[in-house]
Amino acid sequence: GAGVSQSPSNKVTEKGKDVELRCDPISGHTALYWYRQSLGQGLEFLIYFQGNSAPDKSGLPSDRFSAERTGGSVSTLTIQRTQQEDSAVYLCASSPETGLGAFFGQGTRLTVV
Amino acid sequence: EDKVVQSPLSLVVHEGDTVTLNCSYEVTNFRSLLWYKQEKKAPTFLFMLTSSGIEKKSGRLSSILDKKELFSILNITATQTGDSAVYLCAVASNSGYALNFGKGTSLLVTP
Repeated sequence: GAGVSQSPSNKVTEKGKDVELRCDPISGHTALYWYRQSLGQGLEFLIYFQGNSAPDKSGLPSDRFSAERTGGSVSTLTIQRTQQEDSAVYLCASSPETGLGAFFGQGTRLTVV
Repeated sequence: EDKVVQSPLSLVVHEGDTVTLNCSYEVTNFRSLLWYKQEKKAPTFLFMLTSSGIEKKSGRLSSILDKKELFSILNITATQTGDSAVYLCAVASNSGYALNFGKGTSLLVTP
């Protein structure tokens, strides 16, 4: 597609449920990032994929968070047993390679009630 | 630990004013510095800077990098209300994967 596509755009879930967030990067971009932005806060790095290399998971806040990237394209971020503090906007970005301009999707606003 | 610090945290100006936003950084093995504008959800890419002293310009926005003093500035001339947004600075290194973001400068341009 023309840009990074994320779905859903909004998600409300009950505490304790699992959620899956999807990111479809720009075609041909090998690097894919997930960030989280809580209200009034900066962007918090979660995970990074680059081609076939092992992902950098150093930003994942707990083992309830996981992500995968299938076929070097679409990525899914999964949050298990959601907590209220997981409420945030989850942003996905892709770039042609590491360190170049990364282009963001519109994000998924997750609300845990 | 890599660090990106933006200043000021917030700024209110009148339409027509010129503003300068600052970004200083400490990063191992610097590769690039990027500026983004965030209005609602998605940050939109403005500039990528890799070399010192070379100004990047797009309309009323311009930016420059000083790799010796480890900072960058983003200038906006003749500000308009549509410039109101959070401006984010991010730094990439050759030794890490993540774009490391500052907390942003919140700019409000009043009519």
